[in-house]
Amino acid sequence: NAGVTQTPKFRILKIGQSMTLQCTQDMNHNYMYWYRQDPGMGLKLIYYSVGAGITDKGEVPNGYNVSRSTTEDFPLRLELAAPSQTSVYFCASSFREGPYEQYFGPGTRLTVT
Amino acid sequence: TQLLEQSPQFLSIQEGENLTVYCNSSSVFSSLQWYRQEPGEGPVLLVTVVTGGEVKKLKRLTFQFGDARKDSSLHITAAQPGDTGLYLCAGEGSNYQLIWGAGTKLIIKP
Repeated sequence: NAGVTQTPKFRILKIGQSMTLQCTQDMNHNYMYWYRQDPGMGLKLIYYSVGAGITDKGEVPNGYNVSRSTTEDFPLRLELAAPSQTSVYFCASSFREGPYEQYFGPGTRLTVT
Repeated sequence: TQLLEQSPQFLSIQEGENLTVYCNSSSVFSSLQWYRQEPGEGPVLLVTVVTGGEVKKLKRLTFQFGDARKDSSLHITAAQPGDTGLYLCAGEGSNYQLIWGAGTKLIIKP
């Protein structure tokens, strides 16, 4: 059982470039999340989805876009990368919102220079 | 805005010592979770507490949810090098999303 997988593991982008971070889960979870983790700042929610075709903004959505065409996949798109988007990005999924375990992928370390 | 503050931010102790880390807020949370994160990996759930005053034990780890559901603590007895990691608390906010603390980085020296 793979759980939540993310690609790539590492990426360096130049300012203004775009990229898509891939996330796939095989647990048939309806709820999926994208977080960013900055040093000493905890996890900040970027976007989340409660099911295929439904997405909503989290705490820090500016500069990002998401789509959810299937239950399994939840890609995160960065348009016009900026140095402020240098961070570690985690995708997670859960059975439901609320007091339910969130299962995390291994993360993508992104540097924008 | 709901916030969670964790303390201490960093703790380095010898194997065999006891320690407590704290997660505090001025807001009430419906539930609170503790996760542990190792370098290069995503967080992994340790425990969920949902009732004020609740105490849960996981081997040498004891978790407590405050009576008013505004704070929580994690106590580790006889710490071992395998306990090393980043400990994160996360509270269920008013919109059912998780509010995360900044974490306590714990190093247990052999």
